[in-house]
Amino acid sequence: EVQLVQSGAEVKKPGESLKVSCRGSGYNFATHWIGWVRQKPGKGLEWMGIIFPGDSDARYSPSFQGQVSFSVDKSINTAYLEWSSLRASDTAKYYCASITSTLFTAFDFWGQGTLVTVSS
Amino acid sequence: SYELTQPPSVSVSPGQTATITCSGDELPKQYVYWYQQKTGQAPVLVIYKDKERPSGIPERFSGSTSGTVVTLTISGVQAEDEADYYCHSPDSSGTWGFGGGTKVTVL
Repeated sequence: EVQLVQSGAEVKKPGESLKVSCRGSGYNFATHWIGWVRQKPGKGLEWMGIIFPGDSDARYSPSFQGQVSFSVDKSINTAYLEWSSLRASDTAKYYCASITSTLFTAFDFWGQGTLVTVSS
Repeated sequence: SYELTQPPSVSVSPGQTATITCSGDELPKQYVYWYQQKTGQAPVLVIYKDKERPSGIPERFSGSTSGTVVTLTISGVQAEDEADYYCHSPDSSGTWGFGGGTKVTVL
């Protein structure tokens, strides 16, 4: 059974750094794209980008390029989403999602989400 | 980012048909995927490649396409179908977008 388990909720101050994680299991983590989706409170889904764990090839949405960074640790089947300097506008729930199907190229499994709150 | 347009809300009585549209310039050239998100839960894929249903998704969910508009249809709506629905598709550069979401209310 494919599972994506994300790290717990975070409360941070503006300017602080943060790295949230997403651990995959039940599939070959290294050979399937994994991505991140932002959902601000009461708002819709926003595609942030994807990363291929096999070679760390990352593709960012223009809206998020330079604002966040993706990384992976294949040895522990974990993907990361990182900020170097948080802003209040980064307050949102962040989902990781994987593309495991051989039939299509969209997210088919999702993590439970990590709520990030940035407030002074 | 890639713009996909959906109506904000749709209301339907139980047993009736809900129709949700999604429009975008690239849709004639790209597949569309539909996600259902219930309150407080992660999204679930209900339609892939315009009209295919993943395993476990009820037959009352169907998808169709016509030019720059794709449609998700829920036939014989049930109370459990009350949720937000999002279309999802890439543009020609490989950047993916989500529609703004449609809240389906079962009256």
